[in-house]
Amino acid sequence: GAVVSQHPSRVICKSGTSVKIECRSLDFQATTMFWYRQFPKKSLMLMATSNEGSKATYEQGVEKDKFLINHASLTLSTLTVTSAHPEDSSFYICSARALAGGGDTQYFGPGTRLTVL
Amino acid sequence: LAKTTQPISMDSYEGQEVNITCSHNNIATNDYITWYQQFPSQGPRFIIQGYKTKVKNEVASLFIPADRKSSTLSLPRVSLSDTAVYYCLVAGREAAGNKLTFGGGTRVLVKP
Repeated sequence: GAVVSQHPSRVICKSGTSVKIECRSLDFQATTMFWYRQFPKKSLMLMATSNEGSKATYEQGVEKDKFLINHASLTLSTLTVTSAHPEDSSFYICSARALAGGGDTQYFGPGTRLTVL
Repeated sequence: LAKTTQPISMDSYEGQEVNITCSHNNIATNDYITWYQQFPSQGPRFIIQGYKTKVKNEVASLFIPADRKSSTLSLPRVSLSDTAVYYCLVAGREAAGNKLTFGGGTRVLVKP
């Protein structure tokens, strides 16, 4: 149980284009999902908190117009990197919050490798 | 959010037990302790979560002393495939949507 998927797993795009990444909770509903980015040999950095049916909450320093987040259903959140540039190249990881059995746990997707040329 | 401190790296050998201790001196009353494992180019994988005393599952054990200011993840009889980065995180169930703040993690290298 508690499986989270991401699509695509890797994407290469040209500078100036937009890229959409999907995050799905496959066997549970998640009112809250999170988006992280990770640079090589570094830790995960939280970008934003995505709440179903409401606007996302962005961490300080993350441009909300650059990284558009939509959480239209209890099992799907999307991150759109708009007008991508080479410095946006990174590993993007989502997680979904699961409340079960008294616990409160985030389950992570496999990640999306974005390369902007 | 409680800050965590854990060793940067640890080396071990196949078949040995690996214990990673994490300090979280400022842990709050409603905070849980969660450990994740991450392989290169993959998302973190949930290992174990606890609040106090000892928790055990098929993969690992988690020891939490009474003051909860630290916790120890114990991996029994590690194999080469356990080489990964292990993260200790502390977050409250109601705190800010349960945001997780990742520290540097502990790089565990299992040698043959």
